[in-house]
Amino acid sequence: GQNIDQPTEMTATEGAIVQINCTYQTSGFNGLFWYQQHAGEAPTFLSYNVLDGLEEKGRFSSFLSRSKGYSYLLLKELQMKDSASYLCAVVDSNYQLIWGAGTKLIIKP
Amino acid sequence: IAGITQAPTSQILAAGRRMTLRCTQDMRHNAMYWYRQDLGLGLRLIHYSNTAGTTGKGEVPDGYSVSRANTDDFPLTLASAVPSQTSVYFCASSDGQGGYGYTFGSGTRLTVV
Repeated sequence: GQNIDQPTEMTATEGAIVQINCTYQTSGFNGLFWYQQHAGEAPTFLSYNVLDGLEEKGRFSSFLSRSKGYSYLLLKELQMKDSASYLCAVVDSNYQLIWGAGTKLIIKP
Repeated sequence: IAGITQAPTSQILAAGRRMTLRCTQDMRHNAMYWYRQDLGLGLRLIHYSNTAGTTGKGEVPDGYSVSRANTDDFPLTLASAVPSQTSVYFCASSDGQGGYGYTFGSGTRLTVV
């Protein structure tokens, strides 16, 4: 079966750095997405990785290792507005998105 | 403003009733999707459409039907609602194979009582 694993919840302090991990086992791989979802809102696109390595976009970076079936999302200089759920999703061999259950990130002052 | 419009925003529905959730996009995306999101389970695909005139079943299609008469509209119908269909429903679209850059609607919160 196909599986995406993420921690259910994480807590971090404002101004700090947090790393959210995602491991996957899917039938094929055609890319990995990270989305942000604030409570009661729709998911919004953060990043897309298809090749190994680190993609940096402002305070957010995403890393991929295809051989390990592993990705992480790194958030720097955390702000209160970063409190949200972070969803990892993998594009499988049929070009369907397989979603993780999401990681709820709580930022404390 | 380009994007996806879903209606209604929320609905309380009696069990056994028929309900259609509406989804319209103005980005001319070929692919459209319906997901349900339940606490602890993440997003689960109900039905999808890769292009107008075609539809396919996702992970949890039972009790739901869709149609894709044109590029812009992708309604989701619950023929006879049951309480287990209480969920938040998201419509999404993408502009190419692989789902690169999914755009989501704001969601419909459905409660079946």
